[in-house]
Amino acid sequence: DVKVTQSSRYLVKRTGEKVFLECVQDMDHENMFWYRQDPGLGLRLIYFSYDVKMKEKGDIPEGYSVSREKKERFSLILESASTNQTSMYLCATRPPAPRNTEAFFGQGTRLTVV
Amino acid sequence: AQKITQTQPGMFVQEKEAVTLDCTYDTSDPSYGLFWYKQPSSGEMIFLIYQGSYDQQNATEGRYSLNFQKARKSANLVISASQLGDSAMYFCAMIPITGGGNKLTFGTGTQLKVEL
Repeated sequence: DVKVTQSSRYLVKRTGEKVFLECVQDMDHENMFWYRQDPGLGLRLIYFSYDVKMKEKGDIPEGYSVSREKKERFSLILESASTNQTSMYLCATRPPAPRNTEAFFGQGTRLTVV
Repeated sequence: AQKITQTQPGMFVQEKEAVTLDCTYDTSDPSYGLFWYKQPSSGEMIFLIYQGSYDQQNATEGRYSLNFQKARKSANLVISASQLGDSAMYFCAMIPITGGGNKLTFGTGTQLKVEL
């Protein structure tokens, strides 16, 4: 059974803190993605990675960075958390195109910045 | 750049009726894949159906079918015989298959409510 595991389901952090969201997959997929989900805005891509140490900016990378030191782990980093980063964060993984398989998602991390 | 547009923030349908959820897309990639996902209130993302841009036939998976009109750049999801358990948020998504890398882009979603 495929598995994408996010380190926390709920997280509360203070403004200005450095926050790490971790995602681990056991499917040996090259591609990993970080999204944030907000009501009315859908899923917006923050960053994605297509290989170890490789990353590309998504549509809303400002205020975030990522790390992929090992194939199975993709970390999202909020260097200095702000209240407007309160959101649901979803990690996903997928084999590279042109394979037509779907993306597999973690259970999500609901982050609240106070 | 690629873009997915879902123009229906919310939809209501009666149980056992069919419903169509709209999705239009914009891309310069010659080859791409289109997905639909369901997100119930529990928050998990459930894959429903996939359509490749060069597939000759529209995709079907049980009660789900994808009405793919390439010239109009639309990929609408049709759910037949709606059930109460179909109440959820539905997302359309797209990924380039050639040249454009592996960026998976989602729309803003449609909240579907199935009523008795």
